[in-house]
Amino acid sequence: GDSVTQMEGPVTLSEEAFLTINCTYTATGYPSLFWYVQYPGEGLQLLLKATKADDKGSNKGFEATYRKETTSFHLEKGSVQVSDSAVYFCALTSSNDYKLSFGAGTTVTVRA
Amino acid sequence: DAGVIQSPRHEVTEMGQEVTLRCKPISGHNSLFWYRQTMMRGLELLIYFNNNVPIDDSGMPEDRFSAKMPNASFSTLKIQPSEPRDSAVYFCASSYIGRGNEQFFGPGTRLTVL
Repeated sequence: GDSVTQMEGPVTLSEEAFLTINCTYTATGYPSLFWYVQYPGEGLQLLLKATKADDKGSNKGFEATYRKETTSFHLEKGSVQVSDSAVYFCALTSSNDYKLSFGAGTTVTVRA
Repeated sequence: DAGVIQSPRHEVTEMGQEVTLRCKPISGHNSLFWYRQTMMRGLELLIYFNNNVPIDDSGMPEDRFSAKMPNASFSTLKIQPSEPRDSAVYFCASSYIGRGNEQFFGPGTRLTVL
């Protein structure tokens, strides 16, 4: 079945540091890939998405590229801020299914 | 756009009591999802509906849990009787299948069963 594996946290960084969260997937067909972010006490928000190979999703300084050859969708940000402290979830949905398969989530803490 | 609306935001109840969680999806969306989030198990899909019809309820933990979607703008998740192990944050999400498939989440209901 479909599955997503993302790097375990927690990740602690200083402001302006570079952030990478690795995400790899297993899926049949041609999945769509997503990164969701959950700020403390809130629901999940869609951060970015990519629907086909080589697409790059971007939002709020975050980027992720859909790499079919490596089945990966790594999240990156060049300079993090304290406000980026949150839990980040990688997810996919297959072309023939409605459901989102989520990774376990990675907790990121950015210190001033 | 109001987003997905959930109520109540917090619920504290005693073991054995009935609990009803409510969700109003985004207008025009045709699919609705109920999730449960705990520290131990992470984010779990409980059930999802398409066009008000339950499509997959394999994630519903047991018969104490039931969900309904009587119309396109309202859904409930009911736990009867509730148990302490049901304590979690319950999220509702909606999407438009066929247009990106991304899900939009509500703020969640934090349930505590004493």
